[in-house]
Amino acid sequence: SYVLTQPPSVSVVPGQTARMTCGGDNIGRKSVHWYHQGPGQAPVLVVRDDDFRPSGIPERISASNSGNTATLIITGVEAGDEGDYYCQVWDSPTHLVVFGGGTKLTVL
Amino acid sequence: EVHLVESGGGVVQPGGSLRLSCEASGFSFSEHAMYWVRQVPGKGLEWVSLIIWNGETSHYADSVKGRFTISRDNKKDSLYLEMNNLRADDSAVYYCGKERGGSGTQPIENWGQGTLVTVSS
Repeated sequence: SYVLTQPPSVSVVPGQTARMTCGGDNIGRKSVHWYHQGPGQAPVLVVRDDDFRPSGIPERISASNSGNTATLIITGVEAGDEGDYYCQVWDSPTHLVVFGGGTKLTVL
Repeated sequence: EVHLVESGGGVVQPGGSLRLSCEASGFSFSEHAMYWVRQVPGKGLEWVSLIIWNGETSHYADSVKGRFTISRDNKKDSLYLEMNNLRADDSAVYYCGKERGGSGTQPIENWGQGTLVTVSS
């Protein structure tokens, strides 16, 4: 089955840039979606289809996808950006939905 | 505004059954694929099942295949998850999700607040 690998944690100071990766075999050939889950909250879609921000998501959030790595970038990190970030793809050969293990973003 | 409200969670013994429901409002329910995603508190998200817009196709994670059944009633704007032969490792918060499209290949653009299922003797 298809596997997505995310680092368990990333820490940044306020105002700096956070980069979170999502690794998968030829993930660049798939559409990657990213979700943010704040403490005690349901997940929220923050990026779809590799690099598209849904309505209401700030421009500080961007993403890319190429080769074997997709990346979510948050510039000017704020306290409200803390939480867990999950990448997700649809694996067409198996018709399965796959989530990465999640990265916990800590704002120091 | 989209609202997804899960219900039906609770405590059940191993081997038992439970039926989760998700009541949807604020959008054209019959046009969207719907999902169940679960999360053990403190752990990551695990996709459980999806059903496309018309209910004719559904898919399951290997961990629940043969034990769980997803269904929908487009007249009642409701999604269901019938869970049988429950095990301790099925204990989790179960989220209902609305897909951006209807095909089962797009992202989950709205989530409910979840309902907690605990499998314990």
